[in-house]
Amino acid sequence: SAVISQKPSRDICQRGTSLTIQCQVDSQVTMMFWYRQQPGQSLTLIATANQGSEATYESGFVIDKFPISRPNLTFSTLTVSNMSPEDSSIYLCSVRRMNTEAFFGQGTRLTVV
Amino acid sequence: AQKITQTQPGMFVQEKEAVTLDCTYDTSDPSYGLFWYKQPSSGEMIFLIYQGSYDQQNATEGRYSLNFQKARKSANLVISASQLGDSAMYFCAMRGMGDSWGKLQFGAGTQVVVTP
Repeated sequence: SAVISQKPSRDICQRGTSLTIQCQVDSQVTMMFWYRQQPGQSLTLIATANQGSEATYESGFVIDKFPISRPNLTFSTLTVSNMSPEDSSIYLCSVRRMNTEAFFGQGTRLTVV
Repeated sequence: AQKITQTQPGMFVQEKEAVTLDCTYDTSDPSYGLFWYKQPSSGEMIFLIYQGSYDQQNATEGRYSLNFQKARKSANLVISASQLGDSAMYFCAMRGMGDSWGKLQFGAGTQVVVTP
């Protein structure tokens, strides 16, 4: 299994500020994925992060709000910008390993006040 | 468009009993994969089991088995000999092919509570 280190594990932030979440993988992976899980809801894909190219965002998510960096094959960051209480969620990064495995980081539990 | 449906919002099961969590899906892709995850209250997503659409046999992983009925488009998770530590949210997810390779679409989840 892949070892994915995600941090911070939780944070409480003031509205209007930004938070950057880091995801570090123990081996090189082509694609990394960022998901959001709003309270009591299922997971929704925010974007796919490829090394060396712009992230691909899903419908309803924009780069200005959720800028993503992917400087190398083991690391990615997701920034939640200009936060509002509606951004309070768990944010998770994920990587694919082979065709049959998809692993997640421990998640970042974000509360915006 | 793909769709994953979990119709059981919550279930109670007694310790040492087996429990079946339902998952149905809809896709036009001939090749796809189905995943099950466990999410305890800590929030992490724990990968449990995978079933490929062309796999001839149902997947098993320890106490977890997947009852894959392709014609019915169902991929139910069976947890045998439930333990208190199995109390968690369980999500079914699917990946497609082509442009969606690598992305997972999740069902709404089923909350499982194991009682002594």
